[in-house]
Amino acid sequence: DIQMTQSPSSLSASVGDKVTITCRASQSISTFLNWYQQKPGKAPKLLIYAASSLQTGVPSRFSGSGSGTDFTLTISSLQPEDFATYYCQLSYSTPYNFGQGTKLDIK
Amino acid sequence: QVQLVQSGAEVKKPGASVKVSCKASGYTFTAYGLTWVRQAPGQGLEWMGWISPYTGNADYAQKFQVRVTMTTDTSTNTAYMELRSLRSDDTAVYYCARGRYFFDYWGQGTLVTVSS
Repeated sequence: DIQMTQSPSSLSASVGDKVTITCRASQSISTFLNWYQQKPGKAPKLLIYAASSLQTGVPSRFSGSGSGTDFTLTISSLQPEDFATYYCQLSYSTPYNFGQGTKLDIK
Repeated sequence: QVQLVQSGAEVKKPGASVKVSCKASGYTFTAYGLTWVRQAPGQGLEWMGWISPYTGNADYAQKFQVRVTMTTDTSTNTAYMELRSLRSDDTAVYYCARGRYFFDYWGQGTLVTVSS
């Protein structure tokens, strides 16, 4: 199975900051990588698919990049509603594992 | 609008089975895969498997291979996930989500509590 490792596991930042979250795959997965945001008590929300494609309705301050084994999710200017937990997920081969999550909270 | 509406919370004893339903509306049910993901309390997301409503074929995570069955009923646009031989560490919120590779719509989640 391909394992996904996110870093950092937690992150404190302020409104207006630029934030980058990293996801590393244990082997190359091309661009078969997706990102989700989850708020407490809610279902996850798809942000980015295929490494860099912005899901419809997601603000443009969210962006994704990378290929192979290393990927990043960037939030260009944090808004109050962005404080949440973020997960990467591979879709190269089953099992379509998730990363362990990155909790983003307010500094 | 696309909606996935799941069945209500369940409390089960160890060794029992649970069957969670997920009723889809607002899109062509057979045109998209249907994936099940679970989340234990305070933990991350865990991919359980997916099913094609079009073919009925399913692909399960090895961890659940012998205990899970995913099915669909195209007459009612409903997907089901049955998990057998429940253990305390199966206590989690179970989500259905639309899609095979990435998941653009999610159900509200079903809390399954396994306790003696």
